[in-house]
Amino acid sequence: EDQVTQSPEALRLQEGESSSLNCSYTVSGLRGLFWYRQDPGKGPEFLFTLYSAGEEKEKERLKATLTKKESFLHITAPKPEDSATYLCAAYYYGQNFVFGPGTRLSVLP
Amino acid sequence: EPEVTQTPSHQVTQMGQEVILRCVPISNHLYFYWYRQILGQKVEFLVSFYNNEISEKSEIFDDQFSVERPDGSNFTLKIRSTKLEDSAMYFCASSRDGDNYGYTFGSGTRLTVV
Repeated sequence: EDQVTQSPEALRLQEGESSSLNCSYTVSGLRGLFWYRQDPGKGPEFLFTLYSAGEEKEKERLKATLTKKESFLHITAPKPEDSATYLCAAYYYGQNFVFGPGTRLSVLP
Repeated sequence: EPEVTQTPSHQVTQMGQEVILRCVPISNHLYFYWYRQILGQKVEFLVSFYNNEISEKSEIFDDQFSVERPDGSNFTLKIRSTKLEDSAMYFCASSRDGDNYGYTFGSGTRLTVV
């Protein structure tokens, strides 16, 4: 059973069209929930860490939230440069990071 | 801004050959990691390294793999006898204090086994 799943698999938005990406995770043993951005041919770039339900973090047009079994990455008024794959990763005791499959975001001008 | 540097960016090797992937972590970081990403698949944890020894490893990290910190700056991943299924992007990462805040990844080495 997958410990970390993400939806949608791919998302196309018009510039300025806000939306949310979802990450669902196995709760047992979770130490922290992380969001990364990955551009093609590059390594993941750290965005946010969330540790407890109700926590929110913001950076420019991105806001990450955490509930007891899901995390959301909200993108407000996206720009074409926000196009990337967004990875959710859960850090479990004794397992290090477990990455989700990612959401490929395309923002069209 | 400090970076994790990986070399080479692309390596092609014949099946059965040994390869060494090199990484220079951020200088004041103490925890080092290798991950891999097979094309179109998830990023997968391989191994973590602290205080000159492996602290955690995944099922993927079998006897064909080894890691080493040969000097004060480099961190290497060796694959002894490469298989076709080892073809992937290999990412090195480092962190200062191991709690994964400020976990910095390199740009990766694309390994192609032919």
